[in-house]
Amino acid sequence: AQSVTQPDIHITVSEGASLELRCNYSYGATPYLFWYVQSPGQGLQLLLKYFSGDTLVQGIKGFEAEFKRSQSSFNLRKPSVHWSDAAEYFCAVGATGGGNKLTFGTGTQLKVEL
Amino acid sequence: GAVVSQHPSWVICKSGTSVKIECRSLDFQATTMFWYRQFPKQSLMLMATSNEGSKATYEQGVEKDKFLINHASLTLSTLTVTSAHPEDSSFYICSARDFEEGASNSPLHFGNGTRLTVT
Repeated sequence: AQSVTQPDIHITVSEGASLELRCNYSYGATPYLFWYVQSPGQGLQLLLKYFSGDTLVQGIKGFEAEFKRSQSSFNLRKPSVHWSDAAEYFCAVGATGGGNKLTFGTGTQLKVEL
Repeated sequence: GAVVSQHPSWVICKSGTSVKIECRSLDFQATTMFWYRQFPKQSLMLMATSNEGSKATYEQGVEKDKFLINHASLTLSTLTVTSAHPEDSSFYICSARDFEEGASNSPLHFGNGTRLTVT
């Protein structure tokens, strides 16, 4: 069975600082990987996805993520964080041909200090 | 982009009553919709997969008689929490995939969720 681990429950960064949110997955084959962001009381918005090809994926709002098969990781990065980036971030993995049954990590709450 | 509308955004009901939550794909057709439940400070747990024109597929441990799912059209799925109890209080989120996007793992589009409080 597939699983996702987000080791950091909370992260606080200063506005303008760089950000990296960690995500490790467990899956026997090539996974489909996603990062979603959730604002309080809201649904989820897709930031970026990885299916195949270039392992460095660009997303919306200046985010990027790098798929590293050897480390089973898909860490999310942003060079300069804005106060509006404060939210909950979820990494998710989908199985090949799994019909979109996603398994989500427990999330990382990002706080941005002004 | 694809928009999923979920209604109501919040609801308070008395214990023993039933509550219906609607999930609509506004500008695309969705043969499959997914219902998730999210407890405070926790991740999303898949409850069931809703298939247009057929019975929903429930995840292990989810009571199908408790959480009734109907997917009557390509743009509407409903989740009815029957005989609700305080432990059913949670944040329920639906999601859908655009039928025309093709790939079985194309991104899901999420509704804004429904906060259910059972008193």
